[in-house]
Amino acid sequence: RKEVEQDPGPFNVPEGATVAFNCTYSNSASQSFFWYRQDCRKEPKLLMSVYSSGNEDGRFTAQLNRASQYISLLIRDSKLSDSATYLCVVSRYGGSQGNLIFGKGTKLSVKP
Amino acid sequence: SQTIHQWPATLVQPVGSPLSLECTVEGTSNPNLYWYRQAAGRGLQLLFYSVGIGQISSEVPQNLSASRPQDRQFILSSKKLLLSDSGFYLCAWGTGNSYEQYFGPGTRLTVT
Repeated sequence: RKEVEQDPGPFNVPEGATVAFNCTYSNSASQSFFWYRQDCRKEPKLLMSVYSSGNEDGRFTAQLNRASQYISLLIRDSKLSDSATYLCVVSRYGGSQGNLIFGKGTKLSVKP
Repeated sequence: SQTIHQWPATLVQPVGSPLSLECTVEGTSNPNLYWYRQAAGRGLQLLFYSVGIGQISSEVPQNLSASRPQDRQFILSSKKLLLSDSGFYLCAWGTGNSYEQYFGPGTRLTVT
Protein backbone atom coordinates (compact mmCIF):
# COMPACT_ATOMS: atom_id res chain seq x y z
CA ARG A 1 0.00 0.00 0.00
CA LYS A 2 1.33 3.42 -0.93
CA GLU A 3 2.01 5.79 1.96
CA VAL A 4 -0.46 8.36 0.65
CA GLU A 5 -2.83 7.47 -2.14
CA GLN A 6 -5.09 9.77 -4.14
CA ASP A 7 -7.25 9.45 -7.22
CA PRO A 8 -5.22 11.34 -9.85
CA GLY A 9 -8.33 12.55 -11.69
CA PRO A 10 -8.77 14.72 -13.59
CA PHE A 11 -12.05 15.87 -12.15
CA ASN A 12 -13.81 18.04 -14.73
CA VAL A 13 -16.69 19.93 -13.18
CA PRO A 14 -18.84 22.93 -14.13
CA GLU A 15 -18.73 26.16 -12.19
CA GLY A 16 -20.91 25.99 -9.11
CA ALA A 17 -20.57 22.24 -8.69
CA THR A 18 -19.63 20.49 -5.49
CA VAL A 19 -16.64 18.18 -5.76
CA ALA A 20 -15.02 15.82 -3.26
CA PHE A 21 -11.52 14.40 -3.17
CA ASN A 22 -10.45 11.40 -1.14
CA CYS A 23 -7.13 10.25 0.16
CA THR A 24 -5.95 7.21 2.12
CA TYR A 25 -2.75 6.86 4.12
CA SER A 26 -0.94 3.77 5.32
CA ASN A 27 0.66 4.75 8.65
CA SER A 28 -1.88 4.71 11.44
CA ALA A 29 0.55 6.60 13.70
CA SER A 30 0.60 9.74 11.52
CA GLN A 31 -0.34 12.80 13.55
CA SER A 32 -0.86 15.71 11.20
CA PHE A 33 -2.76 16.04 7.96
CA PHE A 34 -3.04 18.75 5.35
CA TRP A 35 -4.37 19.66 1.95
CA TYR A 36 -2.08 21.67 -0.31
CA ARG A 37 -2.98 23.26 -3.60
CA GLN A 38 -0.54 23.35 -6.52
CA ASP A 39 -1.14 25.43 -9.62
CA CYS A 40 0.49 24.37 -12.88
CA ARG A 41 4.27 24.86 -12.71
CA LYS A 42 4.03 26.59 -9.33
CA GLU A 43 4.93 25.67 -5.79
CA PRO A 44 2.46 23.90 -3.49
CA LYS A 45 0.59 26.18 -1.13
CA LEU A 46 -1.01 25.17 2.13
CA LEU A 47 -4.77 25.14 1.71
CA MET A 48 -5.81 23.87 5.11
CA SER A 49 -4.94 21.59 7.96
CA VAL A 50 -7.24 18.66 8.67
CA TYR A 51 -8.44 18.04 12.20
CA SER A 52 -10.13 15.00 13.69
CA SER A 53 -13.30 16.96 14.32
CA GLY A 54 -13.44 18.16 10.74
CA ASN A 55 -12.91 21.77 9.77
CA GLU A 56 -14.27 24.27 7.33
CA ASP A 57 -12.77 27.31 5.63
CA GLY A 58 -15.30 29.11 3.48
CA ARG A 59 -16.25 26.80 0.62
CA PHE A 60 -13.74 24.15 1.67
CA THR A 61 -14.42 21.38 4.19
CA ALA A 62 -11.86 18.80 5.30
CA GLN A 63 -12.62 15.58 7.14
CA LEU A 64 -10.39 13.00 8.80
CA ASN A 65 -11.35 9.44 9.64
CA ARG A 66 -8.50 7.95 11.68
CA ALA A 67 -10.13 4.52 11.97
CA SER A 68 -10.28 4.18 8.19
CA GLN A 69 -7.11 6.21 7.60
CA TYR A 70 -9.04 8.36 5.20
CA ILE A 71 -9.00 12.10 4.49
CA SER A 72 -11.40 14.08 2.35
CA LEU A 73 -11.72 17.55 0.90
CA LEU A 74 -15.04 18.98 -0.21
CA ILE A 75 -15.26 22.07 -2.38
CA ARG A 76 -18.65 23.72 -2.68
CA ASP A 77 -19.73 26.20 -5.35
CA SER A 78 -16.61 25.59 -7.46
CA LYS A 79 -14.95 28.59 -9.08
CA LEU A 80 -12.80 28.72 -12.19
CA SER A 81 -9.94 29.76 -9.90
CA ASP A 82 -10.22 26.46 -8.01
CA SER A 83 -8.67 24.67 -10.99
CA ALA A 84 -5.44 23.19 -9.67
CA THR A 85 -3.94 19.98 -8.35
CA TYR A 86 -4.83 19.17 -4.75
CA LEU A 87 -2.20 17.34 -2.71
CA CYS A 88 -3.05 15.21 0.30
CA VAL A 89 -0.23 15.42 2.85
CA VAL A 90 0.44 13.33 5.94
CA SER A 91 3.11 13.65 8.59
CA ARG A 92 5.69 10.92 8.77
CA TYR A 93 5.71 9.15 12.10
CA GLY A 94 9.14 8.44 13.47
CA GLY A 95 10.94 10.85 11.18
CA SER A 96 12.37 14.20 12.08
CA GLN A 97 9.93 16.85 13.20
CA GLY A 98 8.15 18.31 10.24
CA ASN A 99 8.70 15.55 7.73
CA LEU A 100 5.74 15.21 5.42
CA ILE A 101 4.63 12.65 2.86
CA PHE A 102 2.90 14.07 -0.20
CA GLY A 103 0.37 12.32 -2.35
CA LYS A 104 0.73 12.70 -6.09
CA GLY A 105 -2.31 14.92 -6.22
CA THR A 106 -5.77 15.07 -7.72
CA LYS A 107 -6.23 17.39 -10.65
CA LEU A 108 -9.33 19.56 -10.72
CA SER A 109 -10.53 21.47 -13.76
CA VAL A 110 -13.51 23.78 -13.31
CA LYS A 111 -15.19 24.74 -16.57
CA PRO A 112 -17.46 27.73 -17.30
CA SER B 1 5.79 38.05 7.75
CA GLN B 2 7.93 35.22 6.52
CA THR B 3 9.12 34.94 2.93
CA ILE B 4 11.21 32.35 1.17
CA HIS B 5 13.34 32.97 -1.89
CA GLN B 6 14.88 30.58 -4.37
CA TRP B 7 17.13 31.17 -7.32
CA PRO B 8 17.56 30.76 -10.11
CA ALA B 9 13.98 30.27 -11.29
CA THR B 10 15.02 28.17 -14.27
CA LEU B 11 18.26 26.48 -15.21
CA VAL B 12 19.47 24.43 -18.16
CA GLN B 13 22.68 22.55 -17.52
CA PRO B 14 24.63 19.90 -19.47
CA VAL B 15 25.22 16.44 -18.07
CA GLY B 16 28.32 16.36 -15.90
CA SER B 17 28.22 20.03 -14.96
CA PRO B 18 28.04 21.24 -11.33
CA LEU B 19 24.94 22.62 -9.65
CA SER B 20 24.26 25.13 -6.92
CA LEU B 21 20.74 26.16 -5.92
CA GLU B 22 20.15 28.62 -3.14
CA CYS B 23 17.27 29.17 -0.78
CA THR B 24 16.90 31.88 1.84
CA VAL B 25 14.17 32.55 4.37
CA GLU B 26 13.27 35.90 5.91
CA GLY B 27 11.19 36.79 8.92
CA THR B 28 11.84 33.74 11.08
CA SER B 29 14.66 32.34 13.16
CA ASN B 30 15.98 28.78 13.36
CA PRO B 31 13.55 27.35 10.81
CA ASN B 32 13.53 23.74 9.72
CA LEU B 33 14.55 23.74 6.07
CA TYR B 34 13.79 21.20 3.37
CA TRP B 35 14.77 20.42 -0.22
CA TYR B 36 12.28 18.53 -2.38
CA ARG B 37 12.30 17.42 -5.98
CA GLN B 38 9.22 16.98 -8.12
CA ALA B 39 9.85 15.07 -11.33
CA ALA B 40 7.38 15.31 -14.20
CA GLY B 41 4.19 13.42 -13.34
CA ARG B 42 5.45 12.41 -9.92
CA GLY B 43 4.92 13.46 -6.34
CA LEU B 44 7.24 15.51 -4.16
CA GLN B 45 10.31 13.62 -3.02
CA LEU B 46 12.10 14.85 0.10
CA LEU B 47 15.83 15.09 -0.58
CA PHE B 48 17.32 16.79 2.50
CA TYR B 49 16.19 18.47 5.66
CA SER B 50 17.96 20.55 8.27
CA VAL B 51 16.97 21.49 11.80
CA GLY B 52 19.91 23.84 12.36
CA ILE B 53 23.16 25.27 11.00
CA GLY B 54 25.43 22.51 9.78
CA GLN B 55 22.84 19.82 10.50
CA ILE B 56 21.79 18.00 7.34
CA SER B 57 19.88 14.77 6.99
CA SER B 58 19.67 12.97 3.66
CA GLU B 59 16.59 11.08 2.67
CA VAL B 60 17.64 9.63 -0.64
CA PRO B 61 21.16 8.51 -1.64
CA GLN B 62 22.15 10.28 -4.83
CA ASN B 63 24.72 12.59 -6.34
CA LEU B 64 23.26 15.64 -4.61
CA SER B 65 24.36 17.27 -1.37
CA ALA B 66 23.04 20.06 0.82
CA SER B 67 24.58 22.58 3.17
CA ARG B 68 23.29 25.12 5.65
CA PRO B 69 26.02 27.70 6.16
CA GLN B 70 23.72 30.20 7.88
CA ASP B 71 20.53 29.94 9.90
CA ARG B 72 18.27 30.98 7.05
CA GLN B 73 20.26 29.76 4.06
CA PHE B 74 20.03 26.33 2.49
CA ILE B 75 22.05 25.26 -0.54
CA LEU B 76 21.61 22.26 -2.81
CA SER B 77 24.66 21.17 -4.80
CA SER B 78 25.97 18.57 -7.17
CA LYS B 79 29.44 18.02 -8.54
CA LYS B 80 28.23 16.27 -11.69
CA LEU B 81 24.65 16.39 -12.89
CA LEU B 82 22.85 13.39 -14.36
CA LEU B 83 19.95 13.43 -16.81
CA SER B 84 17.79 12.00 -14.02
CA ASP B 85 18.42 15.13 -11.92
CA SER B 86 16.01 17.12 -14.09
CA GLY B 87 12.98 18.31 -12.20
CA PHE B 88 11.35 21.03 -10.16
CA TYR B 89 13.38 21.73 -7.01
CA LEU B 90 11.51 23.20 -4.12
CA CYS B 91 12.80 24.60 -0.87
CA ALA B 92 10.48 24.76 2.11
CA TRP B 93 10.61 25.99 5.68
CA GLY B 94 8.76 25.03 8.81
CA THR B 95 8.94 25.53 12.55
CA GLY B 96 9.74 22.97 15.20
CA ASN B 97 6.28 23.41 16.67
CA SER B 98 4.15 22.10 13.84
CA TYR B 99 4.33 20.04 10.67
CA GLU B 100 3.20 22.85 8.36
CA GLN B 101 5.66 23.67 5.62
CA TYR B 102 5.81 26.66 3.29
CA PHE B 103 7.40 26.47 -0.11
CA GLY B 104 9.54 28.79 -2.15
CA PRO B 105 8.80 29.45 -5.83
CA GLY B 106 11.08 26.63 -6.97
CA THR B 107 13.81 26.12 -9.54
CA ARG B 108 13.02 24.27 -12.72
CA LEU B 109 16.17 22.35 -13.73
CA THR B 110 16.65 20.72 -17.11
CA VAL B 111 19.73 18.59 -17.59
CA THR B 112 20.59 18.11 -21.26
